[in-house]
Amino acid sequence: AQKVTQAQTEISVVEKEDVTLDCVYETRDTTYYLFWYKQPPSGELVFLIRRNSFDEQNEISGRYSWNFQKSTSSFNFTITASQVVDSAVYFCALLTTDSWGKLQFGAGTQVVVTP
Amino acid sequence: GAGVSQSPRYKVAKRGQDVALRCDPISGHVSLFWYQQALGQGPEFLTYFQNEAQLDKSGLPSDRFFAERPEGSVSTLKIQRTQQEDSAVYLCASSTRTGQGLDEQYFGPGTRLTVT
Repeated sequence: AQKVTQAQTEISVVEKEDVTLDCVYETRDTTYYLFWYKQPPSGELVFLIRRNSFDEQNEISGRYSWNFQKSTSSFNFTITASQVVDSAVYFCALLTTDSWGKLQFGAGTQVVVTP
Repeated sequence: GAGVSQSPRYKVAKRGQDVALRCDPISGHVSLFWYQQALGQGPEFLTYFQNEAQLDKSGLPSDRFFAERPEGSVSTLKIQRTQQEDSAVYLCASSTRTGQGLDEQYFGPGTRLTVT
């Protein structure tokens, strides 16, 4: 069975602090994809990043960075120097190759950035 | 249009009424997905279309839920005899995927359904 766990319900930070969001996943498949989506108050889910199970290379893109570790089944996401506009709910999601595109989402982490 | 659009954005229905929710995917996108998002939860898969074919409807919670995409573009999610537990945000997503569904999905703003 597939499962995605985001243990942090809410994280509150002051602007310019770093924020790290945890994501732990479960799957028996050897080929899978992991995603992070952002959901601002407007409600629309915004795609941030996709990683496949064969690519553990971590990446930095502007103020965002990702840490994918298969050994611990974790796919953590960090926002560096947070800004008020980063306030949103962030979802981690899992996709396996036999699931016909069915994304399995975690429960989400609410990030609140205050000035 | 540049993105996925959904209408209406908000819908209030009395229990027992039928509702129809519309999704316009990104032009040319082959795949279309419906998700249901309860308050404070992550989206949960309802159904998937590849062009006009409904390939997976395993997430539809009951036979009161029905989805169609007759011409392979616009899709409608219909809920008959609405009940209070149907209250949620219904999200539509599309992707270019033609193979194993590995492309990122682009989401619409959702329709917030409230059943009173």
